[in-house]
Amino acid sequence: DTEVTQTPKHLVMGMTNKKSLKCEQHMGHRAMYWYKQKAKKPPELMFVYSYEKLSINESVPSRFSPECPNSSLLNLHLHALQPEDSALYLCASSQVRGGGTEAFFGQGTRLTVV
Amino acid sequence: ILNVEQSPQSLHVQEGDSTNFTCSFPSSNFYALHWYRWETAKSPEALFVMTLNGDEKKKGRISATLNTKEGYSYLYIKGSQPEDSATYLCAPISNDYKLSFGAGTTVTVRA
Repeated sequence: DTEVTQTPKHLVMGMTNKKSLKCEQHMGHRAMYWYKQKAKKPPELMFVYSYEKLSINESVPSRFSPECPNSSLLNLHLHALQPEDSALYLCASSQVRGGGTEAFFGQGTRLTVV
Repeated sequence: ILNVEQSPQSLHVQEGDSTNFTCSFPSSNFYALHWYRWETAKSPEALFVMTLNGDEKKKGRISATLNTKEGYSYLYIKGSQPEDSATYLCAPISNDYKLSFGAGTTVTVRA
């Protein structure tokens, strides 16, 4: 199983809503990543978890709150988002953090903030 | 974050022709370089992970080389096919271990 599964595939939320994105992998990977991708731009790194601990936060606004409850799951909690936060949110995982092994990406969650 | 440049930004190639494009990065503190292929409406898919100066890797008609001393990697597509149409992303990784992408080279193969 080389899949990274993201749910939901699409999400529309209001600026006052609270919602969560979920990401799951069962490859035994210990590094997990959140990326944000806007149209015609490459994915932009947001957060990196290594062994369930947050190791990189790329100065992401606090309205995005990541959580790694166990080695297979990664969540992204969303609160008080702005319309400019509308984007494709990609989750990825790799064996370990460090770049020596490839990352596997999920299909993404298409988020629209209204 | 590494200063990554991919060129050209886009290219068109006739079916059956070969092509190549570049990823440039600072040579200091180099750790690894990844190449990903990203098709529209799909998620990025790893092509190569390269770590050593002089590395050459091949997957079917696609190959890549790495020069860590001068800070560049080439990706080659031999005998391009329409299914090779995609954006090719490179991600050089330094000792901060961040997997961050360049802007990509978008390849369009014309039948």
